[in-house]
Amino acid sequence: GENVEQHPSTLSVQEGDSAVIKCTYSDSASNYFPWYKQELGKRPQLIIDIRSNVGEKKDQRIAVTLNKTAKHFSLHITETQPEDSAVYFCAASRAAGNKLTFGGGTRVLVKP
Amino acid sequence: GAVVSQHPSWVICKSGTSVKIECRSLDFQATTMFWYRQFPKQSLMLMATSNEGSKATYEQGVEKDKFLINHASLTLSTLTVTSAHPEDSSFYICSARNAGSSYNEQFFGPGTRLTVL
Repeated sequence: GENVEQHPSTLSVQEGDSAVIKCTYSDSASNYFPWYKQELGKRPQLIIDIRSNVGEKKDQRIAVTLNKTAKHFSLHITETQPEDSAVYFCAASRAAGNKLTFGGGTRVLVKP
Repeated sequence: GAVVSQHPSWVICKSGTSVKIECRSLDFQATTMFWYRQFPKQSLMLMATSNEGSKATYEQGVEKDKFLINHASLTLSTLTVTSAHPEDSSFYICSARNAGSSYNEQFFGPGTRLTVL
């Protein structure tokens, strides 16, 4: 089955700096890679996703890159703000209807 | 759009009782729903995949007779924790996949915090 590894497990950045979270996956058939943000005690919220037919996707301060050859994808947050503090999860999935396999999560702390 | 509700948001029960948790997709049809369990400071652990009109598929190590799943309609799936014990205390979260999406976009419910005394 799919295995997703996520690094780092914790990340502390100064407000205004960039944050990068990296994930690797094992199943070459995976074609959908979402990122979720989870605040304490709340539901995971989809913040951005990327599909295997593109290499990069950007939405304001958030971007995701995908390298299918190397089987890794990354989340980039620029100009970080205190409200970006949360736990971020990457995930990977095959075709529609299949389960998501989550990474272990990254706890991001943005210091003002 | 893509709103998923979950009820109750929290529940406290005595050991040996059963607890039912509901997961509803409010503005889309969900042929597939997923049930996760999350321990403090840990990732989401998939328990089972719930398909409308058919039996759920359970992940390895998850007892199907203890965690009963029913997906009777395109907008509702239920998880029943039978004969709950303190070790079943956890945060249970469901997600729903939009039947109209060609990719596996999933939207999560707000979770249910179960405490078994």
